[in-house]
Amino acid sequence: GAVVSQHPSRVICKSGTSVKIECRSLDFQATTMFWYRQFPKQSLMLMATSNEGSKATYEQGVEKDKFLINHASLTLSTLTVTSAHPEDSSFYICSARGQNYEQYFGPGTRLTVT
Amino acid sequence: QKEVEQNSGPLSVPEGAIASLNCTYSDRGSQSFFWYRQYSGKSPELIMSIYSNGDKEDGRFTAQLNKASQYVSLLIRDSQPSDSATYLCAVTPTTAGNMLTFGGGTRLMVKP
Repeated sequence: GAVVSQHPSRVICKSGTSVKIECRSLDFQATTMFWYRQFPKQSLMLMATSNEGSKATYEQGVEKDKFLINHASLTLSTLTVTSAHPEDSSFYICSARGQNYEQYFGPGTRLTVT
Repeated sequence: QKEVEQNSGPLSVPEGAIASLNCTYSDRGSQSFFWYRQYSGKSPELIMSIYSNGDKEDGRFTAQLNKASQYVSLLIRDSQPSDSATYLCAVTPTTAGNMLTFGGGTRLMVKP
């Protein structure tokens, strides 16, 4: 199957700093990638849809100025959490869309803001 | 009414038994259906996709789709403790473009 990587897998940062998470499709080109957030024992929550070469589409309630998404190439999308606060601590997961609308997920990034 | 519904479980089955996981969806125009497995603390992994009515088998997994009843299921034969995870049903809704709509997931526990 298709492989999606994420980096870093785990990050701890101080409140007020920014954190960048990278998502790469390793063996296929992904015109569309997605960013999710998942809190413990809760369902996946879609944050935004990232299309190569265009602006991301954010879900209702997700602040686009706080969660900056850049999809600069067919294999790379980045999510930057700006001015992170403890309530942003979560498991962030990206996915890349395949040819039949299936999504291949990266391994996730666990963010802890202290 | 949620767009994709799953019983949250836990569904407990003995090792070697068949686990049956069910999912209903509300968008009659949905065309693509997926099952994901998510271990605790990990990201979801695609295990099955199904696009037409009937059964699709892959190893110990069988996906079943009935579009008339708006129902999709996943059967796991010869369940193993390593199958213990949360299983997510996902559907492509008619109007949402590239997105998938996920159910809340069913937690499966396979007891040795």
